[in-house]
Amino acid sequence: QAQLQQSGPRLVKPSQTLSLTCNISGDSVSSNSAAWNWIRQSPSRGLEWLGRTYFRSMWYSDYVESVQGRGSITADTSKNQFSLQLNSVTPDDTGVYYCARDPGRGIGGEPDAFDIWGPGTMVTVSS
Amino acid sequence: ETVLTQSPGTLSLSPGERATLSCRASQFVASRYLAWYQQKPGQAPRLLIYAASSRATGIPDRFTGSGSGTDFTLTISRLEPEDFAVYYCQQYNRSPRTFGQGTKVEIK
Repeated sequence: QAQLQQSGPRLVKPSQTLSLTCNISGDSVSSNSAAWNWIRQSPSRGLEWLGRTYFRSMWYSDYVESVQGRGSITADTSKNQFSLQLNSVTPDDTGVYYCARDPGRGIGGEPDAFDIWGPGTMVTVSS
Repeated sequence: ETVLTQSPGTLSLSPGERATLSCRASQFVASRYLAWYQQKPGQAPRLLIYAASSRATGIPDRFTGSGSGTDFTLTISRLEPEDFAVYYCQQYNRSPRTFGQGTKVEIK
């Protein structure tokens, strides 16, 4: 059974960069079927998908429009992990951040639901 | 983006009763791309239903998903004490993936 474990600072100052890492066990970040996602949750925004990275002969990433340009999701195959970087944060970026796996369906990884989630990291943006 | 609207916002029921939760999409969602999650306080969401009607591993058969097109339903046939929680629908038909705002099932 795959598991995800998150790490990263819980307090970030406004205008700085939020960095979180998700360590994968029981699966590979380089899987040709899975996709690796970041989701955040806050009272004002509810559950918000931020973006994902996945490998299909080469690496791909895509993001929700609200973080496009200041968000980046990358994979580290040597450590079997993936990371979220969010630049120029504001208090509106405060929330619980989750990593999650879309296991993919079939050869080539048709989109699937998020079957494995990390435990969540409460991140507060405040000076 | 596909907006998912869940109703009702809160459902007050007693153990043993039937719960019916609704999720309406702002545009067509292929059934194989609709999921339901359960979330309890302080925990990550847990996958219940994928592809609109398939139960995830270990999910009891009192949870049933149905629907197609723009209207989807999660039914809990007989509420157990551990079922009182918040439930979210999610589409993974298109990017960005989107979630509904949630339905809270509380003890009456």
